[in-house]
Amino acid sequence: DGGITQSPKYLFRKEGQNVTLSCEQNLNHDAMYWYRQDPGQGLRLIYYSQIVNDFQKGDIAEGYSVSREKKESFPLTVTSAQKNPTAFYLCASSIGGQAYEQYFGPGTRLTVT
Amino acid sequence: QKEVEQNSGPLSVPEGAIASLNCTYSDRVSQSFFWYRQYSGKSPELIMSIYSNGDKEDGRFTAQLNKASQYVSLLIRDSQPSDSATYLCAVGINQFYFGTGTSLTVIP
Repeated sequence: DGGITQSPKYLFRKEGQNVTLSCEQNLNHDAMYWYRQDPGQGLRLIYYSQIVNDFQKGDIAEGYSVSREKKESFPLTVTSAQKNPTAFYLCASSIGGQAYEQYFGPGTRLTVT
Repeated sequence: QKEVEQNSGPLSVPEGAIASLNCTYSDRVSQSFFWYRQYSGKSPELIMSIYSNGDKEDGRFTAQLNKASQYVSLLIRDSQPSDSATYLCAVGINQFYFGTGTSLTVIP
């Protein structure tokens, strides 16, 4: 089955710790994205990558980092510099650039206390 | 700032009725338009995409795009309780911009 997987589904961390969220896709999509969703708010773009070894900051990149060493994988690290890390994190992919349909993984719900 | 506006609702319709969801956007150069359905606690699921003016139908769903007026709408015919969800409008320019979503409840 083709799709996007994110792990873990729920993640709990203490304040001050870095944490890495996994995102893998087997759709052969070139572009991958990370969004954050907070209650009552729309999705906000954190980072995106249109090609291996290249990525761009989105609207809310501060306190986050990413890597794209393989086409299939786009992990997101939430660093201790992120002031309000508790949120629902969504990974998406698309066949090409940003005007194309994006498909989402199941998401990771991160709680930092 | 690219803006996508949606009425947050909640919108309630009886089973079998037509649900109408609306979205306006501010950037005239927007190229692509999408509707996603998101059930509570789940990730968004793409249900419709539309790229040119007019209507696009897919089963019980019809997307309507009017670039001159800068709005895109989604009609759901014969609404079912399983359609109860939040519907997100997304507009693609150089990146996707999402609205905050409209909550729809279909009453049996």
